[in-house]
Amino acid sequence: ETGVTQTPRHLVMGMTNKKSLKCEQHLGHNAMYWYKQSAKKPLELMFVYSLEERVENNSVPSRFSPECPNSSHLFLHLHTLQPEDSALYLCASSQLVTGANVLTFGAGSRLTVL
Amino acid sequence: AQTVTQSQPEMSVQEAETVTLSCTYDTSESDYYLFWYKQPPSRQMILVIRQEAYKQQNATENRFSVNFQKAAKSFSLKISDSQLGDAAMYFCAYRGGTSYGKLTFGQGTILTVHP
Repeated sequence: ETGVTQTPRHLVMGMTNKKSLKCEQHLGHNAMYWYKQSAKKPLELMFVYSLEERVENNSVPSRFSPECPNSSHLFLHLHTLQPEDSALYLCASSQLVTGANVLTFGAGSRLTVL
Repeated sequence: AQTVTQSQPEMSVQEAETVTLSCTYDTSESDYYLFWYKQPPSRQMILVIRQEAYKQQNATENRFSVNFQKAAKSFSLKISDSQLGDAAMYFCAYRGGTSYGKLTFGQGTILTVHP
């Protein structure tokens, strides 16, 4: 596996379910991110982890709970979501250095909340 | 707060022709980076090109080039010799010089390439 891998690619869940999205990066990067891509809206940054510490939480509701157990893995735990949470959730990673700090994205997890 | 605006929801181009996608941004920072990302139907966001604000020279990557007008806060993408594989959603993105990977994205432009 290379790059950034996200699973599952598609997820359908009810409002009372608990599920998790998984992201794994094989690039040796030290920062990981969750972005939300909704229809007709710009991508929104949700969380940033640097060296496994959360350094940014962009006013995300508590029904989204991130977890970064090590620098290669990032999870997004989902609980009692709302239909408006249906979106494409993109994971990204980067190497935090001085300069452009280019993000490499995964292919996303398409979430549908019924 | 920084904002990024892509005023063209959709664009189309004939194969082998040239097309320019527009992007403007608003910032009070002097140190920042600008990016164009491509998102094909596979959904994987792919970096097309990047520009450092302190560099006056426009970035170029093969058939892709930018027209960076810092004073006007404009960052357009030119695709030359368009190919069918260029069809995708294109996003312009901004990152401040001191932030982590916090990219601010535009709304995106859907590019269709006609054979």
